[in-house]
Amino acid sequence: QVQLVQSGAEVKKPGASVKVSCKASGYTFTTYGISWVRQAPGQGLEWMGWISAYNGNTNYAQKLQGRVTMTTDTSTSTAYMELRSLRSDDTAVYYCARSHDGRAPWFDPWGQGTLVTVSS
Amino acid sequence: QSVLTQPPSASGTPGQRVTISCSGSSSNIGTNYVYWYQQLPGTAPKLLIYRNNQRPSGVPDRFSGSKSGTSASLAISGLRSEDEADYYCAAWDDSLSSVVFGGGTKLTVL
Repeated sequence: QVQLVQSGAEVKKPGASVKVSCKASGYTFTTYGISWVRQAPGQGLEWMGWISAYNGNTNYAQKLQGRVTMTTDTSTSTAYMELRSLRSDDTAVYYCARSHDGRAPWFDPWGQGTLVTVSS
Repeated sequence: QSVLTQPPSASGTPGQRVTISCSGSSSNIGTNYVYWYQQLPGTAPKLLIYRNNQRPSGVPDRFSGSKSGTSASLAISGLRSEDEADYYCAAWDDSLSSVVFGGGTKLTVL
């Protein structure tokens, strides 16, 4: 079955970077993209961006431009999301999701989520 | 605040039909498909409706989606206790070149 498995929880200090991985299985990795969505504690969903697993094209949310980088490793069917210059308001659960279209929120399935806590 | 507007809460009794609204604008719902997600407590969101009114395999036909103009709705018929969750609408926004979500609606089954 199609599955996305994410790396474990992280605790980081303000100003540091975090890199979350998302390993895909059960489908041909390069025929879909991967989107990243985060959810702050008790809050709603926020789209962070998308990467094509076919050619590496990316589209980042304007709010995160310059701080986020999304990459893929097709040899291991793994996507990565790196967020730099972390602040306390980056504390959230970060989800990856298989993305059918880089210009539509067609996300299915989702990874289990990775809690990133930013605290001094 | 969110680009798409949803009521923060909704409720119903078992067996009832409830609807959740999602209001947007011409740059998002008005010109693009709407998607709906269900998030059960402590779990990742799950796709419920895609392209306005299509159900992925495995989603019961008790769930249905519709769109008219710059608004969309999710209807849940034959409400069950296991439907108690947060529901989010989403769409692409041409002006922002970004996916936008509603703020979410917490559904309580009384």
